[in-house]
Amino acid sequence: GAVVSQHPSWVICKSGTSVKIECRSLDFQATTMFWYRQFPKQSLMLMATSNEGSKATYEQGVEKDKFLINHASLTLSTLTVTSAHPEDSSFYICSATGLRASYEQYFGPGTRLTVT
Amino acid sequence: QQQVKQSPQSLIVQKGGISIINCAYENTAFDYFPWYQQFPGKGPALLIAIRPDVSEKKEGRFTISFNKSAKQFSLHIMDSQPGDSATYFCAASIQSYQLIWGAGTKLIIKP
Repeated sequence: GAVVSQHPSWVICKSGTSVKIECRSLDFQATTMFWYRQFPKQSLMLMATSNEGSKATYEQGVEKDKFLINHASLTLSTLTVTSAHPEDSSFYICSATGLRASYEQYFGPGTRLTVT
Repeated sequence: QQQVKQSPQSLIVQKGGISIINCAYENTAFDYFPWYQQFPGKGPALLIAIRPDVSEKKEGRFTISFNKSAKQFSLHIMDSQPGDSATYFCAASIQSYQLIWGAGTKLIIKP
């Protein structure tokens, strides 16, 4: 099946620092990657959609200068949380879709970010 | 128009019983309806999905029933096991692109 990995699985950082989260499609070419945020006991909230080689499309209310997304290759997308604050603490999940994945979205294991 | 309404919010089923989770949608342009299973601290995993040209799809103990006229679809878990205890999300999209998510159902299977 289609496998998506994320790194790191959890990270603790101090307020004001930046954190980068990587999302990789391991066995297929991901033409589109999605970044989600999930609060405890809630559904997934789409943050942005990125196509390889293009600028990401951000959902309404998501600060694009704070959550920098780069999709430089067909197997890698990164989310950088800049100048992180405690309210950015959350579970961040990426998903990927592509030709080999039959256009279905496959999700990474998620990254738990805690900002102190 | 873009919402997907999922019920119930939580569900407790005895081991061996049938778990049923329902979803309803409004946008008739949706053409892809997946169900995801999520364990605590993990990302969602695609469980089973259906397109509106069929009324039912079965994979092992998991079955999706789809009612196009009523704009409803449901997940049935037969012979529910404690390992099925998780949160289940339904979703809908147009051409498998941006998913519109249900609110989730926390399923607990009692041994």
